Amino acid sequence: QSALTQPPSASGSPGQSVTISCTGSSSDIGSYNYVSWYQQHPGKAPKLMIYEVNKRPSGVPDRFSGSKSGNTASLTVSGLQTEDEADYYCSSYAGSNSLVFGGGTKLTVL
Amino acid sequence: QVQLQESGPGLVKPSQTLSLTCTLSGASISLSDYYWTWIRQPPGKGLEWIGYISYSGNSYYNPSLKSRVAISVDTSKNQFSLKMSSLTAADTAVYYCAGGGDGWFDPWGQGALVTVSS
Repeated sequence: QSALTQPPSASGSPGQSVTISCTGSSSDIGSYNYVSWYQQHPGKAPKLMIYEVNKRPSGVPDRFSGSKSGNTASLTVSGLQTEDEADYYCSSYAGSNSLVFGGGTKLTVL
Repeated sequence: QVQLQESGPGLVKPSQTLSLTCTLSGASISLSDYYWTWIRQPPGKGLEWIGYISYSGNSYYNPSLKSRVAISVDTSKNQFSLKMSSLTAADTAVYYCAGGGDGWFDPWGQGALVTVSS
């Protein structure tokens, strides 16, 4: 069970779009549609932003969207706002009742 | 509104056993289709899934921690607990409890910092 791979950092200007990737394997992302994404501001608990690849919980702005292709999942934030600056983590079901997280991506809004 | 709150010691000595409790409010811990999960985050690092216990009482653990971890539920107190043995400094982290479904975690507790030091 290896951690999912995310870029350490990503950035964009207000109003722009940014996409964060999350690469796994055929044992996790490639085999299951149980990919989720979390936003974490400093000193706070993570917040669920996307589940089951592309579903948004109630209250999450539709500027946040998720997708998956093969062994890679992606989170796209459109119309960047300053409050979107945070760490983002992906997670996937990895079979045999186990889950795995990505290493996290620090999103900077320039 | 469903809320979770972790409780337990903030400082534990090396080689000892950590015991943390998560208290659920606003819902019953016996909710079907819910998984009660522990996740940790070392200072300045990423998230690590520790394990979860299902609504049916079955528990599942991260293979890298399985030999040292146990998760249990106390339905009478609407709580679930984590025990982790043989602690080292590498276990120093913020420990989160969370509820969730298939492959997702929500809600989360606020987190409890546990420091392993003599």
